[in-house]
Amino acid sequence: NAGVTQTPKFQVLKTGQSMTLQCAQDMNHEYMSWYRQDPGMGLRLIHYSVGAGITDQGEVPNGYNVSRSTTEDFPLRLLSAAPSQTSVYFCASSYAQGAGRNTIYFGEGSWLTVV
Amino acid sequence: KQEVTQIPAALSVPEGENLVLNCSFTDSAIYNLQWFRQDPGKGLTSLLLIQSSQREQTSGRLNASLDKSSGRSTLYIAASQPGDSATYLCAVRPGGSWGKLQFGAGTQVVVTP
Repeated sequence: NAGVTQTPKFQVLKTGQSMTLQCAQDMNHEYMSWYRQDPGMGLRLIHYSVGAGITDQGEVPNGYNVSRSTTEDFPLRLLSAAPSQTSVYFCASSYAQGAGRNTIYFGEGSWLTVV
Repeated sequence: KQEVTQIPAALSVPEGENLVLNCSFTDSAIYNLQWFRQDPGKGLTSLLLIQSSQREQTSGRLNASLDKSSGRSTLYIAASQPGDSATYLCAVRPGGSWGKLQFGAGTQVVVTP
C-alpha cells in the first residue's frame, strides 16, 4: 500500500517555465487536495477535488491549474512559474464526507524552487 | 472566514515532562478537527481525529480534547521523549465548506534529553 505518492521530490524551474507536479493515491479516496507550505504561514489550500471530474479552488489558486480525470490521480500544473511559487507542495487525500473515515493522508512533499 | 491559531509557536521541554499544545479556531461550526505531526523535510502524519460530536480522543500517550463552544482543542503528550521532537499542527474541517481544511501554523516542539 503506497498511500499518497508525489513526484518529483525536488525541482528547480526558471521563471516562466511550466511544469506538472504529480500526485497519485491507491486508497480509493474521493477527496484529494494540494497545499503549499511556506515558513510562518502554515499550509494553504490551493485546489481540491471531491471526485473525478469535480474540482474547486482553495485559498491560493492563482497561477495553478488542476484536473481530476481518474479517482487515483490529481496533478497540479504551474502555468508560468514565478519566484513567489517557490515553496513546498503537499498532496493529500481522504474519504469523502462520512463519520469516522475522514483521516487525511499526506504525501512526502515536493520542494520547488523558481529562479 | 475560519482562522486557526496555535500558541506557542515553539516549545522546549525536558524529557519526561508532559506536553500541552493548544489550538484555537474562530468558527465553531466544524465537521472535525485533526492533529498532525511533521518531521523536518517530511510530510504530515495524522495523530488523532476528533469528530465534532466527540469531546476527546486517545491513542497511547496522546490525548486530544475538543471544546467546540469555546473554539479550542488541546493535545496532551504524556511523559515526553526526545523522539517526540517535531512540529505539531492542528487542522479544522469546516462544516459548511467540507473540502476546505484550515490549518494552524504549528507548534515546534523540542524535547531535550
